[in-house]
This record gives sequence, structure tokens and C-alpha cells, in this order.
Amino acid sequence: QITLKESGPTLVKPTQTLTLTCTFSGFSLSTSGVGVGWIRQPPGKALEWLALIYWDDDKRYSPSLKSRLTITKDTSKNQVVLTMTNMDPVDTATYYCAHNAPSAVAGPNYFDYWGQGTLVTVSS
Amino acid sequence: EIVMTQSPATLSVSPGERATLSCRASQSVSSNLAWYQQKPGQAPRLLIYGASTRATGIPARFSGSGSGTEFTLTISSLQSEDFAVYYCQQYNNWAPRKTFGQGTKVEIK
Repeated sequence: QITLKESGPTLVKPTQTLTLTCTFSGFSLSTSGVGVGWIRQPPGKALEWLALIYWDDDKRYSPSLKSRLTITKDTSKNQVVLTMTNMDPVDTATYYCAHNAPSAVAGPNYFDYWGQGTLVTVSS
Repeated sequence: EIVMTQSPATLSVSPGERATLSCRASQSVSSNLAWYQQKPGQAPRLLIYGASTRATGIPARFSGSGSGTEFTLTISSLQSEDFAVYYCQQYNNWAPRKTFGQGTKVEIK
């Protein structure tokens, strides 16, 4: 049974750096083809894909946010960490981590399991 | 870059009726398209992948079709629990500015 859970601050100030942790179970990020991604959703708005990390440490970022994002993994702890620098009120959103379905072919895939999400508010 | 456009933005349907949702890609994504359902306060749930394959546990009233640039999600007979927002996602290409569509809200008529 695959589960994921996001954790981190609920409130950050403008210009600060946000660090979110995704703790998962039911799969290993050392298994070939496995990936974990981050997606966010501002209140009342659509989903926005942010970043994804694969089992082999291949990392992909949204081009519009690439300069501000870093995704890392700790396989021994079953965790994926996302950092976002220079936070702004427009970054207020629910942040989700999700399991990227394994694929035999290298490349993006759909998200078959999602965490419950964590609401991050950016305000002074 | 590929842009995903969903229509309509809102669909008003009576329980028991059929709902048809559209997702269009600005360029071909082959069959690399997924559909998700999201209810208020909940995470998205995978419904369809590969444009037409139902995910585990998804009722048969949900069906997906299409390839290339035109895709459809059909809910054959709407149940009360189906009123939600539906998103499409392309996974054919990396570095997309908008992987997900903007969503279609299915509301009770």
C-alpha cells in the first residue's frame, strides 16, 4: 500500500525559503523507474507541476520555477525534500507530493498516488 | 511548449445523466494523457491513464478516449459522488509550462 505525506511550515514570510518534506511508504526510491513529484494548487486554481526526482537521481523542474526549486531524496529515510527560495504571496498554495507511476521508458508519467497536501501561506 | 485546454470550464448535469468533458493539447501527446478527479479539500485521484485505461478501483461509468490532441472523459451516468473538478494531464513531454489543464467543474444541475 503506497502512502505519501507532506510536512513543513504552514506559514512563511516573503523572501524566505520554503522546505517541504514528503515521507512515503509502500515503495522504494531505489527501485528502477520510480519517481516522486511535487505539484501545487493555489486556492481555487488549477494544479501546477513543480518538480520530480527519479530513482537514479535524475531531476526535472518546471521551467518557470527552475531557478527557485531544488528537489532531493533520502532513500534511507524514504523522503523527498523540495526547497523553494524567495517565497512570495503568489506562492500561497496547497503543495502535494505524488508517486510517479513507474515506466519502462525514461520520461514523464502520470501520478497514481498522492499525499493529502499541505497548505502553505506566504504572508508577512 | 504544450498547452492543455479543457472545456467547458463548468458543466451542469443532472444525476443519472451523461457528462462529456474535453481536453485538447496544443500539439500531439500521443496517448500519454491522464484524467484526475478532485473533490473539495481532497487530493486529486487518478481516474484514467494512457488516455483510456481506468485506474484501479475506478467504476466502469468512467471512460476515456482520444489520442493525439483531442481527448474526452465520459461519465455515463452521473452519481452524486461524481460532482467534482476534473483535470487532464499530459505526460508526453518534459519541460511543459502547463502539464495539467485548467480543470472542468461538474456541478449539479
